[in-house]
Amino acid sequence: EAGVAQSPRYKIIEKRQSVAFWCNPISGHATLYWYQQILGQGPKLLIQFQNNGVVDDSQLPKDRFSAERLKGVDSTLKIQPAKLEDSAVYLCASKGLGSNQPQHFGDGTRLSIL
Amino acid sequence: DAKTTQPNSMESNEEEPVHLPCNHSTISGTDYIHWYRQLPSQGPEYVIHGLTSNVNNRMASLAIAEDRKSSTLILHRATLRDAAVYYCILREKIKAAGNKLTFGGGTRVLVKP
Repeated sequence: EAGVAQSPRYKIIEKRQSVAFWCNPISGHATLYWYQQILGQGPKLLIQFQNNGVVDDSQLPKDRFSAERLKGVDSTLKIQPAKLEDSAVYLCASKGLGSNQPQHFGDGTRLSIL
Repeated sequence: DAKTTQPNSMESNEEEPVHLPCNHSTISGTDYIHWYRQLPSQGPEYVIHGLTSNVNNRMASLAIAEDRKSSTLILHRATLRDAAVYYCILREKIKAAGNKLTFGGGTRVLVKP
């Protein structure tokens, strides 16, 4: 089966600019996650969707970050305006039905803020 | 959040077994123990999970202590491709459909030829 697809692979922007990341989960996976991974740390959950509804966005900095999954398939994560501390890899993951099904991760988008 | 403690790094020789320890003394009765690994420049990859009994799959074995306060991931014959950061995670359920993984710093495994 095809894995989780993310684009772009790399992005470089200046602080205060906006940026968007795109994720296409594995076909049929209802649950989708966005994680932020700062260099040298483990991934940190930003937001979790179940179909097109938000299950958990408690760690999403809502003053500058937003995410949507309008049709319950693809998802976009946006940052506006970007800050230097947003430099990180943004990972998308999806999961099939069943509480112990594993999460499948994409290879992420590496964001550098100048 | 339930927490796990892992050594920062470990070294192994190629074709030898690797035992990766994880302490999770605050584990609750419903928390599953999950292991993921992350190869350089890739997203994390599922390795194995368990609740109480030891588990085996094609990638690794998971040995869980009787009191469930610790576990050990066993790579039976390390290869150079096994060099990665290995994360031990307690899976928490959130709401009805949730499945939350809280990643720590993991253990960086170096495999020497």
